[in-house]
Amino acid sequence: KQEVTQIPAALSVPEGENLVLNCSFTDSAIYNLQWFRQDPGKGLTSLLLIQSSQREQTSGRLNASLDKSSGRSTLYIAASQPGDSATYLCAVDQDFGNEKLTFGTGTRLTIIP
Amino acid sequence: EAQVTQNPRYLITVTGKKLTVTCSQNMNHEYMSWYRQDPGLGLRQIYYSMNVEVTDKGDVPEGYKVSRKEKRNFPLILESPSPNQTSLYFCASSLGPKRYEQYFGPGTRLTVT
Repeated sequence: KQEVTQIPAALSVPEGENLVLNCSFTDSAIYNLQWFRQDPGKGLTSLLLIQSSQREQTSGRLNASLDKSSGRSTLYIAASQPGDSATYLCAVDQDFGNEKLTFGTGTRLTIIP
Repeated sequence: EAQVTQNPRYLITVTGKKLTVTCSQNMNHEYMSWYRQDPGLGLRQIYYSMNVEVTDKGDVPEGYKVSRKEKRNFPLILESPSPNQTSLYFCASSLGPKRYEQYFGPGTRLTVT
């Protein structure tokens, strides 16, 4: 059974710093990995989707990498801003079975002005 | 604007009183699913639908029903809600299997007393 872990559960960083969020998964037979952002009281916003054949994806100040064989992904945020404060979730879709994402429990990020 | 909508956003009800949470998407997506989010457990899939009239159980289907009579709508039905169904519920949709990112609705916070 796939398990997705995100450590740490919470992270505080001064504004302007670069930071890395971590995601690990136990079963490397994934089809893709997706990073989401969740703001309090709101839904999930998709940030980046990495197919299993890809190593990384970039969108603006965000860069997500995937090392499928080691079961790891990182989300790199450059030049952090207070508006980046949110909970970040990673989720994997298996290489088989139904259309289901297995989520980590997230990292709550606070950017300190 | 491409979006997934859910109604109601907030609901407080009593044990045993049937309720329906609606979900609608305007992106002509084939795949739709329901998740619940609980502290410490992350998001878990309740039911999913691959197309009209095609639905199947996710990881935590007990106590829930769904239907998919139209492509755009995927309501979640709680025939006899219980307090352990108090949770934050999300509807999601995607264009197709595996390859495409999933889009989430804003969430429905349900409290069953």
